[in-house]
Amino acid sequence: SYVLTQPPSVSVAPGKTARITCGGDNIGSKNVHWYQQKPGQAPVLIIYYDNDRPSGIPERFSGSNSGNTAALTISRVEAGDEADYYCQVWDSSSDHVVFGGGTKLAVL
Amino acid sequence: QVQVVESGGGVVQPGRSLRLSCGASGITFKNYGMHWVRQAPGKGLEWVAFIWSDGSNKKYADSVKGRFTISRDDSKNTVFLQMNSLRAEDTAVYYCARDKWSAAPGYFDYWGQGTLVTVSS
Repeated sequence: SYVLTQPPSVSVAPGKTARITCGGDNIGSKNVHWYQQKPGQAPVLIIYYDNDRPSGIPERFSGSNSGNTAALTISRVEAGDEADYYCQVWDSSSDHVVFGGGTKLAVL
Repeated sequence: QVQVVESGGGVVQPGRSLRLSCGASGITFKNYGMHWVRQAPGKGLEWVAFIWSDGSNKKYADSVKGRFTISRDDSKNTVFLQMNSLRAEDTAVYYCARDKWSAAPGYFDYWGQGTLVTVSS
């Protein structure tokens, strides 16, 4: 089955840039979506189709996807960005949805 | 205002069954694929099941295949998850989520707040 690998945690100072990676075999050939989940809340879609943002999501959030790595980049990080972030793809070979293990973003 | 609401969770003994429901106001499930996703305490998201918009195709995670059944009633704007032969490892918050598309899964644009299922004797 297809596996997505994320770092368990990423730390960043306020105002700096955070980059959260999502590794998978030839992930560049898949559509990658990203969700933000704050404690006690449901996940929220923040990036779809690698680098599109739903309405209401700040431009500070962006995505990329190439080769074996997709990434979520958060510019000018704010305290309110502290959350868990998950990448997600659909694996057509198994016809299963796959989530990465999640990355906890800590704002120092 | 959009609201997606799951119900039916609770405490259940191992081996027993439970049926979850998911309804919505402000959005329609008709013409969209629907998913169930779960999250064990302190753990990450795990996809559970998916049903096409017309109900003709259903997919399941290997961990629940043969025990769980997803279904839908568009006349009631509701999706269900029938869970049989429950195990301790099924303990989780179960989320209902709408897919952007009707057939092959895309991304989840609306999520409910989740319902907690605890499997324990």
